Amino acid sequence: KAGVTQTPRYLIKTRGQQVTLSCSPISGHRSVSWYQQTPGQGLQFLFEYFSETQRNKGNFPGRFSGRQFSNSRSEMNVSTLELGDSALYLCASSEGQVSSYEQYFGPGTRLTVT
Amino acid sequence: AQKVTQAQTEISVVEKEDVTLDCVYETRDTTYYLFWYKQPPSGELVFLIRRNSFDEQNEISGRYSWNFQKSTSSFNFTITASQVVDSAVYFCALRTGANNLFFGTGTRLTVIP
Repeated sequence: KAGVTQTPRYLIKTRGQQVTLSCSPISGHRSVSWYQQTPGQGLQFLFEYFSETQRNKGNFPGRFSGRQFSNSRSEMNVSTLELGDSALYLCASSEGQVSSYEQYFGPGTRLTVT
Repeated sequence: AQKVTQAQTEISVVEKEDVTLDCVYETRDTTYYLFWYKQPPSGELVFLIRRNSFDEQNEISGRYSWNFQKSTSSFNFTITASQVVDSAVYFCALRTGANNLFFGTGTRLTVIP
């Protein structure tokens, strides 16, 4: 099976802009979670989607949002970008809701905000 | 509250040496899962193992082994006969209930040829 894919792999944006990141889970996986990784804060959970519904949300401002489509693909949006949003954004998929299954991660999208 | 501590920020070993990566966790939940992930320079997190709180059996997979001790809230990871390809950042993580993963800060392992 193909692994989790994320597009784009690299992105450079300017403060104040918005950005959309995309994640395609492993075929058959219905849950998608997003994580932010920064040198200062480490790996932090953003949100989880299962069957097109947000099931869980981390402690991030409302500028961070996401959605999941009927084919389980997910997008994450960050509006009004700040310098501190520069990070590696990782997507993970699992067969079912995260509480019961392993998560498999994609290669990430590295976002740089200037 | 959940917390994962990986006190070792960086470790360097010479190839073929054994190395143990420490992980200490905190949770008040009685049901939880512990994980180890490897992050090579490419950035992708690679799943290594999952352990649930009711299974304290140690596990060995090739050169990798894991020691889970509830009494000390530790879930340590040992690589035997390390190889250069083992160089990566290793993360220990905890999941409780319906929550997602809480990650430790990671241990950067460098294996010197």
